[in-house]
Amino acid sequence: GNSVTQMEGPVTLSEEAFLTINCTYTATGYPSLFWYVQYPGEGLQLLLKATKADDKGSNKGFEATYRKETTSFHLEKGSVQVSDSAVYFCALGMNTGFQKLVFGTGTRLLVSP
Amino acid sequence: DGGITQSPKYLFRKEGQNVTLSCEQNLNHDAMYWYRQDPGQGLRLIYYSQIVNDFQKGDIAEGYSVSREKKESFPLTVTSAQKNPTAFYLCASNDQNQPQHFGDGTRLSIL
Repeated sequence: GNSVTQMEGPVTLSEEAFLTINCTYTATGYPSLFWYVQYPGEGLQLLLKATKADDKGSNKGFEATYRKETTSFHLEKGSVQVSDSAVYFCALGMNTGFQKLVFGTGTRLLVSP
Repeated sequence: DGGITQSPKYLFRKEGQNVTLSCEQNLNHDAMYWYRQDPGQGLRLIYYSQIVNDFQKGDIAEGYSVSREKKESFPLTVTSAQKNPTAFYLCASNDQNQPQHFGDGTRLSIL
C-alpha cells in the first residue's frame, strides 16, 4: 500500500539556521505530494504541493522538490524564524478524483531565538 | 470568509456515552473527511464522503458513525463501542483534484 515516512523529531534549530525535514514515500502509480503545517491547537494548513516529478512547490520561503528517482519530497528553508515552530506533515494523494491522503507521522520543529 | 468550522473545540465524554462532533463547510466542496490524530501517529482516516447521502469507511471506522444529509455538513458520532476515543479529531473537505482544507479540530477527552 501507499505510505509516507518522515524523519523523527523534534528538530531543534536556532533562528536563521537552515532547515531540512526528510520525507520519502512508497506509492503505486504517480501521486501528488504535499506538506502541511500544524500550529499548536490548530488544524492543518497546506504549505506547498507538487503534482508531478521534478515539480518544485514553494511558499513562505519553504521549498520541496518532487524526486521520483529517490521517491522523496524533502522540505527545506534557508533561514528559519521562531514563528516557524510547528509540526510539519508530509502527505501523498493519488491523482484520481478526491485524493484521499496518506500522512507521515509529523515532525516537530522548534526554533529558538 | 470561506472555511470549515468544527465544534465544539473541546468535548468530554463519560463512559458509555455517544458524542457527536460537528463539521460544517461553506466552501461548496463535494467531499468531506474525518481524521483522528494521536501523538506520534500522524493522521488516520475514519470516514469520508464524496457526495450527499453516501459515505465510505476509512482505515479506522470501528466505533464511529457519520451521516451526510447536507452538502455542507458531515457530523461524526463517537459511539460507546470506541474503546479509546481520546484524541484530536480533524475534519477536512475538498473538490476533485484539489488539496484538502482542514478545520481547527475538536479535542475529545474521557471523564
